Amino acid sequence: TQTVSQSDAHVTVFEGDSVELRCNYSYGGSIYLSWYIQHHGHGLQFLLKYYSGNPVVQGVNGFEAEFSKSDSSFHLRKASVHWSDSAVYFCAVNNVGDNSKLIWGLGTSLVVNP
Amino acid sequence: DMKVTQMPRYLIKRMGENVLLECGQDMSHETMYWYRQDPGLGLQLIYISYDVDSNSEGDIPKGYRVSRKKREHFSLILDSAKTNQTSVYFCASSLSTGDHEQYFGPGTRLTVL
Repeated sequence: TQTVSQSDAHVTVFEGDSVELRCNYSYGGSIYLSWYIQHHGHGLQFLLKYYSGNPVVQGVNGFEAEFSKSDSSFHLRKASVHWSDSAVYFCAVNNVGDNSKLIWGLGTSLVVNP
Repeated sequence: DMKVTQMPRYLIKRMGENVLLECGQDMSHETMYWYRQDPGLGLQLIYISYDVDSNSEGDIPKGYRVSRKKREHFSLILDSAKTNQTSVYFCASSLSTGDHEQYFGPGTRLTVL
């Protein structure tokens, strides 16, 4: 069974801080990993994805994520957050060839205080 | 402009009434999805559609059905709504089967009294 775990339900930081949102998965096969962002009252928006190659992938708005096979992780990072980064962040995993069905984490709510 | 639209955005129904949620996309995406989102449960897949009249149950299909007669439209139907179907419903689309990036609509907040 594939699972995605986001260990922190809530993270609070100040504007200008760096942040890391954690995502761990359990699956042994070939997978895609991705991050989505959901601002309050809106649908989810794609941030970035990893399938192969360079384990550090760049996304929009200064976000990046690093894949680690040994840790079964795909943590999301940003060097300097802005108040507009306040949102819920979802990690998702997809088995290659599994007809686009994503397995979602429960999300991490990021609050950026001014 | 790539967009997924959902109508209505807010809906209040009484238990036992029928509910129709509509979703449209202007990207000619093959694959479309219906999810519900509840606090503490995250996103749960209700149905997935691989193309016109090619629909498949997701993880929680009970109490729901879908219809896709045109590639750009995907409807979610609740026959005789129940109070535990109160939720926020999201429609999403992706270019094709196997394509990873999903585009989401703004959601429909359904309240069943």
